[in-house]
Amino acid sequence: ELKVEQNPLFLSMQEGKNYTIYCNYSTTSDRLYWYRQDPGKSLESLFVLLSNGAVKQEGRLMASLDTKARLSTLHITAAVHDLSATYFCAVDTGFQKLVFGTGTRLLVSP
Amino acid sequence: DGGITQSPKYLFRKEGQNVTLSCEQNLNHDAMYWYRQDPGQGLRLIYYSQIVNDFQKGDIAEGYSVSREKKESFPLTVTSAQKNPTAFYLCASRRAGVNQPQHFGDGTRLSIL
Repeated sequence: ELKVEQNPLFLSMQEGKNYTIYCNYSTTSDRLYWYRQDPGKSLESLFVLLSNGAVKQEGRLMASLDTKARLSTLHITAAVHDLSATYFCAVDTGFQKLVFGTGTRLLVSP
Repeated sequence: DGGITQSPKYLFRKEGQNVTLSCEQNLNHDAMYWYRQDPGQGLRLIYYSQIVNDFQKGDIAEGYSVSREKKESFPLTVTSAQKNPTAFYLCASRRAGVNQPQHFGDGTRLSIL
C-alpha cells in the first residue's frame, strides 16, 4: 500500500524567510502533484512533476522530484502572507488514482 | 466558464437517511473522482470512474455508492451504512491522459443532525 508522508505538518514562518516542505512516498512512482487548499475551500493545482529531476517554479514556490529517493520538495522563497494555506502532495499510483499526503499547514506572519 | 459544480454546499443528514451529493462537470473530462476529507487530514478516495457506466471502489468505499450514467455527472450517495459521514466531500475530474492534474469542485460539507 502506497503511503505518502509530509513534513512538517504545521509550519509557522515570518515573511521574508525561506523554508522547504518535504513529501516522502513509499513505492515507486514518477508522477507527483502539488496542490494548495485555503481554509474551507477546494484544492488548486500548483505543480505537476512527471519525471526524475523535474523542477517547476511559479513565483515564490519551487517544486522538485527525486524518484530514486522517493522524495519531492516544495521550497518557499521570501514568504509572504498570501502563501498561508495548506499544501498537499499527491502521488500517482499509475491507475489514475492519487494518494494524498496529510498536508502541511503553512502560516506566514509579518 | 468550464468547471466542476458540487451541490449542495452544506448538507445535513438524519440518522438512517441516505443523502445524495451532486457533482457535474462541463470540462468534457473522462475520469471523475470522489474524495472525503476529515478535519486536519488529507484526502481519501471513495470511488472513481474512468468512463461512463463504469466505476471502481477507492480506499474507503464502504457505506457509499455512485453511478455514472452520463459523462458530465457523478453523484455520490452516502447511505445509512456509513456510520461516520460527517466530513468535507470533494469531487474531481481529469482529462484522459496520464499527465493531467485532477481539477476539484468547491466541495460539500455533510453533517449529522
